[in-house]
Amino acid sequence: NAGVTQTPKFQVLKTGQSMTLQCAQDMNHEYMSWYRQDPGMGLRLIHYSVGAGITDQGEVPNGYNVSRSTTEDFPLRLLSAAPSQTSVYFCASRIAGGTGELFFGEGSRLTVL
Amino acid sequence: GNSVTQMEGPVTLSEEAFLTINCTYTATGYPSLFWYVQYPGEGLQLLLKATKADDKGSNKGFEATYRKETTSFHLEKGSVQVSDSAVYFCALTPSYNTDKLIFGTGTRLQVFP
Repeated sequence: NAGVTQTPKFQVLKTGQSMTLQCAQDMNHEYMSWYRQDPGMGLRLIHYSVGAGITDQGEVPNGYNVSRSTTEDFPLRLLSAAPSQTSVYFCASRIAGGTGELFFGEGSRLTVL
Repeated sequence: GNSVTQMEGPVTLSEEAFLTINCTYTATGYPSLFWYVQYPGEGLQLLLKATKADDKGSNKGFEATYRKETTSFHLEKGSVQVSDSAVYFCALTPSYNTDKLIFGTGTRLQVFP
């Protein structure tokens, strides 16, 4: 019962460095998304995908890139990290369409110095 | 725009006390409404949902009723336990775009024996 798996769980970067947060799900979910969680701000949607080859922007997409080459994987790329991207990142997935339950990973805590 | 407003936390209660966490929303049309819960060190999990006015969602002793007239979806539980200590998030999905789940800022609940 792996569900949604995120790696790494913790990462420290220097300003300007790049990195990729990995997300994989084994539930054959068409929909996948990335959120960031910041104190007092709740969760904010960064990017989402409704299927392989299809991605779209959420509320706070600037500074992040995504791609969806397979149903299972949805990596989030930071091309040039900034201190403002210090946050906890969550990947989530669900079946396509409607109002089904979102299944979340355990989160990745990123610190940018 | 669409938004969710939750009461400030933390909410501190003794075991077996009655719980109410207020949630109001702003949205066009008829959004679907959700409560998610985040236990320490974990991702979010769906607690309950309601997809139309006057629907009541319920799970694990928690309840919330979709009130269109007051644009509210307050979370209640008759008798809380220490194991209910967590952060609770109210969220909505707009009726015109079910690909976006919009979260409130979260309310931390602490239950003491």
